[in-house]
Amino acid sequence: EAGVTQFPSHSVIEKGQTVTLRCDPISGHDNLYWYRRVMGKEIKFLLHFVKESKQDESGMPNNRFLAERTGGTYSTLKVQPAELEDSGVYFCASSQGEGGEQYFGPGTRLTVT
Amino acid sequence: AQSVTQLGSHVSVSEGALVLLRCNYSSSVPPYLFWYVQYPNQGLQLLLKYTSAATLVKGINGFEAEFKKSETSFHLTKPSAHMSDAAEYFCAVSDGWHTGRRALTFGSGTRLQVQP
Repeated sequence: EAGVTQFPSHSVIEKGQTVTLRCDPISGHDNLYWYRRVMGKEIKFLLHFVKESKQDESGMPNNRFLAERTGGTYSTLKVQPAELEDSGVYFCASSQGEGGEQYFGPGTRLTVT
Repeated sequence: AQSVTQLGSHVSVSEGALVLLRCNYSSSVPPYLFWYVQYPNQGLQLLLKYTSAATLVKGINGFEAEFKKSETSFHLTKPSAHMSDAAEYFCAVSDGWHTGRRALTFGSGTRLQVQP
C-alpha cells in the first residue's frame, strides 16, 4: 500500500511568486491534514479536511494560503504571494475514521528567497 | 490550550546506552499523547501512543513511554541504543478525542545522536 506522497520534494521560489504544493493521501483515507515546520521550530497544524470539506482551518496563518481538496482525494496548498517567512517544510498527513493514526508524508521543503 | 515541551534539542548517547527523551505536556482535558520519529528524508512515523489505557506504553523498535499525570510527563525510553535509532523525535498531544478536534500539537523535537 502506497503511503502519503507529496510533490514537489523541494521548491525554491522568489518572494512574491506563487507556489502550489500537492499531497496524495493514502487511498481511502477521508481525513487529510496540513502541517508546517518553520526554521527548525515545532511542527504546527494548518488545517484538516474531511473528504472535500474543511473541518478545521484554525492554523492557517493568513489569506495568502489557500488549501483545496477537490473530490475528496488529493489536496493542494497554494501560497500566493509567497513571503520569506513562509520558508519551511510542509507536511501532509492522512488518517481513516474517527480515531485513526495520522500517517505523514515526507514533506515539501519550501525556500522563499 | 494544549502545549508540549521537549527538554533538549540534541541528545547524544553511546551505542548500547539508555535512551531518555523528555516530554512534558499541558492540556486542559485528559490528553492523548504520541511520540513520532523522523528519519532523514522520510515522513514522521508513529512510535507509540497513549490513549488513556495502560500508563506504560510499548512501541516499535524497543521504545516505550510512561504517562505520569502527576508530573504531566510522557518521557520516551529505550534500554539500549542502536546506531539505527539516530533520528529526530517529536512528542505530540491531542485533546481531539474530547473536543472533536484532530489537530496534533507538537514539541520542538529532539535530535538523537548515537555514538559508536
